[in-house]
Amino acid sequence: NAGVTQTPKFRILKIGQSMTLQCTQDMNHNYMYWYRQDPGMGLKLIYYSVGAGITDKGEVPNGYNVSRSTTEDFPLRLELAAPSQTSVYFCASSLTNTEAFFGQGTRLTVV
Amino acid sequence: ELKVEQNPLFLSMQEGKNYTIYCNYSTTSDRLYWYRQDPGKSLESLFVLLSNGAVKQEGRLMASLDTKARLSTLHITAAVHDLSATYFCAVDLNQGAQKLVFGQGTRLTINP
Repeated sequence: NAGVTQTPKFRILKIGQSMTLQCTQDMNHNYMYWYRQDPGMGLKLIYYSVGAGITDKGEVPNGYNVSRSTTEDFPLRLELAAPSQTSVYFCASSLTNTEAFFGQGTRLTVV
Repeated sequence: ELKVEQNPLFLSMQEGKNYTIYCNYSTTSDRLYWYRQDPGKSLESLFVLLSNGAVKQEGRLMASLDTKARLSTLHITAAVHDLSATYFCAVDLNQGAQKLVFGQGTRLTINP
């Protein structure tokens, strides 16, 4: 059972480039989330989804987009990368009223 | 806006000692989660607290929730080096999906 899988693990982007962070889960969870974690801080919610075809903004959505075409996949798109998007990105999934399961994270540096 | 504050933010303690990490939050919620994060790693779920007065224990860790005081505690008993990590509390906004607001984390170092 793989749980939540994120790719890539590391990435360096130049300012203005775009990329997609991939996330897939095999637990048949209806809820999926994207968080970012800046150094020495807690996680902040970027976007979330309550099911296929349904997404909504979290606390810090600017500069990002998401889609949820299947239950399993929840990619995060960065358009026009900026240094402020340098962070560690975590994807997570959950059922209702249970703990969220987190992926291993993607460490992104924008230079 | 929900704010979640943990204290202390840094804690260095000796093996065998007891200590408590506090998590205060600013608005009504009866769902709170504790996670552990090792350096450079992902988050691991420790406890799920879903009602006022909930108490959960696992090994040397015990977590409790007082929704009236908007306070959760994570108590460490007879600390051992393996418990060194950063501990986060996260409060659910209670808006259907599990939209978590995290505290800043408590970096715990346990010295032999």
